[in-house]
This record gives sequence, structure tokens and C-alpha cells, in this order.
Amino acid sequence: NAGVMQNPRHLVRRRGQEARLRCSPMKGHSHVYWYRQLPEEGLKFMVYLQKENIIDESGMPKERFSAEFPKEGPSILRIQQVVRGDSAAYFCASSPLPYAGGPGEQFFGPGTRLTVL
Amino acid sequence: ELKVEQNPLFLSMQEGKNYTIYCNYSTTSDRLYWYRQDPGKSLESLFVLLSNGAVKQEGRLMASLDTKARLSTLHITAAVHDLSATYFCAVDPRSQGNLIFGKGTKLSVKP
Repeated sequence: NAGVMQNPRHLVRRRGQEARLRCSPMKGHSHVYWYRQLPEEGLKFMVYLQKENIIDESGMPKERFSAEFPKEGPSILRIQQVVRGDSAAYFCASSPLPYAGGPGEQFFGPGTRLTVL
Repeated sequence: ELKVEQNPLFLSMQEGKNYTIYCNYSTTSDRLYWYRQDPGKSLESLFVLLSNGAVKQEGRLMASLDTKARLSTLHITAAVHDLSATYFCAVDPRSQGNLIFGKGTKLSVKP
């Protein structure tokens, strides 16, 4: 049973370019979460998606960032016109169907380390 | 403002010693998570604590939860070098997966 898959693992972009990060959840998981981790910091929630729906995007910057989780294919986190401050590790997590009124335990992917030159 | 505070943030300990990491949080949450992260790696789930008084143990690690005090502890018994990593606690105040993480406790176990 493959875990959460993310690609690419490392991504280098120049300022002003676009970055696309992909996440395939664990088999049977219908909930996807994106987090950002700055060096020496904890993870910060960005967005929570189910298939074809954005459930909570309260942690997403208002501009340049978008996320989707289409009916078919991986979830995509897209960053337009990247700036140096976007350099971070971006982790995707997935969880199975909700239990006890809320999502279950989250399982994290290996992360994408974005470097903006 | 939602806060999750861990202490200490850095911990250097000798093999064979015991120590406790503390996690305080500022809002109600019906569950608390502990994760481990090795340098440059992803997060590995250690414990999910679901109720007041919950205690879980795995090997040399034991986690507990006091929801009234909004406090969780991660106790390390007879530390070994392999436990060197950063440990994060996280809460889920809205019970929908929007996890709020602490800053992490970087543990270094020396021979």
C-alpha cells in the first residue's frame, strides 16, 4: 500500500516563474491537506480539499496561490510568480473518511522542497 | 489567537536518561497528535490522543493528554541515539483536519 506521493521532491524556480506541486493521496483517502514548513519552524496549514471541493483555504495567501483536487488525478498546489519568500518545504497529507465527526489521522508525504532563486 | 507551545524547543540529553517534552495549547481540541521528523524528511505519526486522560506508549515513548489543562506530554524513557529527531505536537480545534502545529522540539541524544 503506497503512501502519500509528492512530486517533484525538489523544485528550483526563478523569481516570477510558476511552481506546480503534485500530491497523490494514499489509496482510499479522500481528504487532502497542504502545509508549508519554513526552516526551523513547525508546519503551517494552507488548504484542505476533498475531491473537486475546497473545504478550508483559510491558510492560503490571498494572491498567487491556488489549489485543486480534481475528480481524476493528483491534487495540485500552484504558486504563480514565485518570490524568494515562497522558498520552503511543502507537505501534503491525506486522511481517510471522517470518524467521530472529524477527519482521521493524517499521513504525510515526503514533501517538495521549493527553492526560489 | 490559537497557540500551540512546546517546550523545550531544544533538548540535548545523554543516552539512558529520561525526559519530558510539554505541549500546551490555547483552545479546545478533541484530539492531539504527536509527530516525529528526521532532518530533511517527512513527518511520521507517533500518537493520536483522543480523550482526556488518554495515555499511549510505543517503545521508549509515552504520550498523555489532559484536556482540562490543555496539556500533553511526551515522555522519553532511557533515551537512545535513534530517538534524535524533531518532535511536533499538533491540535485539531475545528475537528476537520486543519492541524495547528507547535514549533517542534529538537532532540539530540548523545552517547
